[in-house]
Amino acid sequence: EVQLVESGGGLVQPGGSLKLSCAASGFALSDSAIHWVRQASGKGLEWVGRVKNKANNYATAYAASLRGRFTVSRDDSKNRAYLQLNNLKTEDTAVYFCTRLQSNSFSFDIWGQGTMVTVSS
Amino acid sequence: DIQMTQSPSSLSASVGDRVTITCQANQDIKKYLNWYQQKPGKAPKLLIYAASNLETGVPSRFSGSGSGTDFTFTISSLKPEDIATYYCQQYDDLPLTFGGGTKVEI
Repeated sequence: EVQLVESGGGLVQPGGSLKLSCAASGFALSDSAIHWVRQASGKGLEWVGRVKNKANNYATAYAASLRGRFTVSRDDSKNRAYLQLNNLKTEDTAVYFCTRLQSNSFSFDIWGQGTMVTVSS
Repeated sequence: DIQMTQSPSSLSASVGDRVTITCQANQDIKKYLNWYQQKPGKAPKLLIYAASNLETGVPSRFSGSGSGTDFTFTISSLKPEDIATYYCQQYDDLPLTFGGGTKVEI
């Protein structure tokens, strides 16, 4: 079965850090760009950032408001992508999804189930 | 950033009704627009890509149209399982942006 599975979420204090993981199965992560999208409770979808594949030099991009605090990366040998969250703020509380960008259609065709990040003292 | 304005933000319809959602971009995005369905507690699901192309396995009652700045998503005959929130998303430029969502209720 083709799927993405996130892990690593949890409760963290303001100013703390977390590293989210996105594991792919049923397909080779190395072929695809991986994006992260988050959703605060009861709110809409917000694009966080992405990491392209090796052919595109693992190029990264971020939402401007998050740049400098969040870092996306990948380890194709482990079929995983990562989202490092630093200096977390209460407004970062959300479900974080990883998703595959389908290169032919430029659409997000595979999504993980999401992992919850709660930033609270 | 490209702003995506979806309307309405919510709607109530009956089983069998035709449902239409609009999405407007604040600049020309050609046909670089996707539509997703999200049910409570679940990840979004791709329905339509490149404005009007039906994703494999998605029922044909779902359709999309438009180009430039104005786009439409239609459910031709609403079914109970279509209760969800629907989002448009542009990929013309970074940052990728989503519409605010349309919650469809019966």
